[in-house]
Amino acid sequence: AAGVIQSPRHLIKEKRETATLKCYPIPRHDTVYWYQQGPGQDPQFLISFYEKMQSDKGSIPDRFSAQQFSDYHSELNMSSLELGDSALYFCASSPGTAVSNEQFFGPGTRLTVL
Amino acid sequence: AQSVTQLGSHVSVSEGALVLLRCNYSSSVPPYLFWYVQYPNQGLQLLLKYTSAATLVKGINGFEAEFKKSETSFHLTKPSAHMSDAAEYFCAVTPTGGSQGNLIFGKGTKLSVKP
Repeated sequence: AAGVIQSPRHLIKEKRETATLKCYPIPRHDTVYWYQQGPGQDPQFLISFYEKMQSDKGSIPDRFSAQQFSDYHSELNMSSLELGDSALYFCASSPGTAVSNEQFFGPGTRLTVL
Repeated sequence: AQSVTQLGSHVSVSEGALVLLRCNYSSSVPPYLFWYVQYPNQGLQLLLKYTSAATLVKGINGFEAEFKKSETSFHLTKPSAHMSDAAEYFCAVTPTGGSQGNLIFGKGTKLSVKP
């Protein structure tokens, strides 16, 4: 079965650089969630999209922005990177936003900021 | 605000022993609750979920959890641990009062299984 695809899987950036993370949801899933998991931490919700519109916002820094495109893939753009942005970034998709829907997680993008 | 507390950041059991991972939630109304498993360098996989139907929920890989409103708990159990169960387990809840499904995770419990 098709799964959530994230690219790149690993990314190394310098401080103050920018990074773009991509997420391709499972076909026919119209909802995408982004989470950030710091080293040894639990995943923290950043932002979500439903039908190409932002549906909810969590603890996403102002330096980050995201969008969902017409093919439902999503991109997380991160600017002025800081050391503390080093983390595993997960994307999850679901068919709709109902709270009972299962979120299917991708393998994550590991971002290292030097 | 909604939160979940997982007691024990690290649990170690012997192969074949009972697995018990604890999760308590804070909510004035019964929330939706989930257990996810994360293997090293992988994403999160749903084990099971409680969505106000049966209080005893059966999941994949022989895991189950019981929703106890009186104790605000949703502990995860498995009768007999396998080596392949070694992973990190996260309890999660969805915010009440909203229609969105973004998850609030506990701090996680790392399960080790000794031969």
